[in-house]
Amino acid sequence: QVQLVESGGGVVQPGGSLRLSCAVSGFTFSSHEMYWVRQAPGKGLEWVAFISRDGSRKYYADSVRGRFTISRDNSRNTLYLQMNSLRAEETAIYYCAKDLTGKYSFHYWGQGTLVTVSS
Amino acid sequence: QSALTQPPSVSGSPGQSVTISCTGTSSDVGSYNWVSWYQQPPGTVPKLMIYDVSNRPSGVPDRFSGSKSGNTASLTISGLQAEDEADYYCTSFTSRNTWVFGGGTKLTVL
Repeated sequence: QVQLVESGGGVVQPGGSLRLSCAVSGFTFSSHEMYWVRQAPGKGLEWVAFISRDGSRKYYADSVRGRFTISRDNSRNTLYLQMNSLRAEETAIYYCAKDLTGKYSFHYWGQGTLVTVSS
Repeated sequence: QSALTQPPSVSGSPGQSVTISCTGTSSDVGSYNWVSWYQQPPGTVPKLMIYDVSNRPSGVPDRFSGSKSGNTASLTISGLQAEDEADYYCTSFTSRNTWVFGGGTKLTVL
């Protein structure tokens, strides 16, 4: 069955960096576009980043462009999010999600990893 | 990019129908059929309910339906059940190659 497992979350000081990973199984990773979406405690969903199947196209939310980098390793079935210059307001659960084949939608989601930005 | 506009809350009794609106602009909802809806009961992961405005993924009951008119998309849930109580979010692709979510709507089944 489809599985997405995020890791790499934790506590980081403002201005610090973290690298999130999303290990997937149960589907052909290289055939799917992937996303990162976050949710601050008690708040709504916010799209963060997108990457195409071969990694050639990457899109970012205005709020993270220039500080976050999405990447993927299709040989390792793993999606990444490098987060630099983190801010307190970016404390959130970070979810990775896969598309519904050929559709711009977030079909399957991981359980999320909590990132806390605090001094 | 401003969030799509959803009502903060809606409610209905079991068996009734409710509709949740999602208003955007001509740069997102109005220009693309890449509108999707997600259900998130408390403490759980979001679940895709509708994609491409009106399509249901496998396993989603046909009580859930979607539509769009102009800059506003809508999710209708008919034959309300207690298990439908959750937060619902819409999202749309935008002309800037980004995705924007609505603020979310809390559905209460009375």
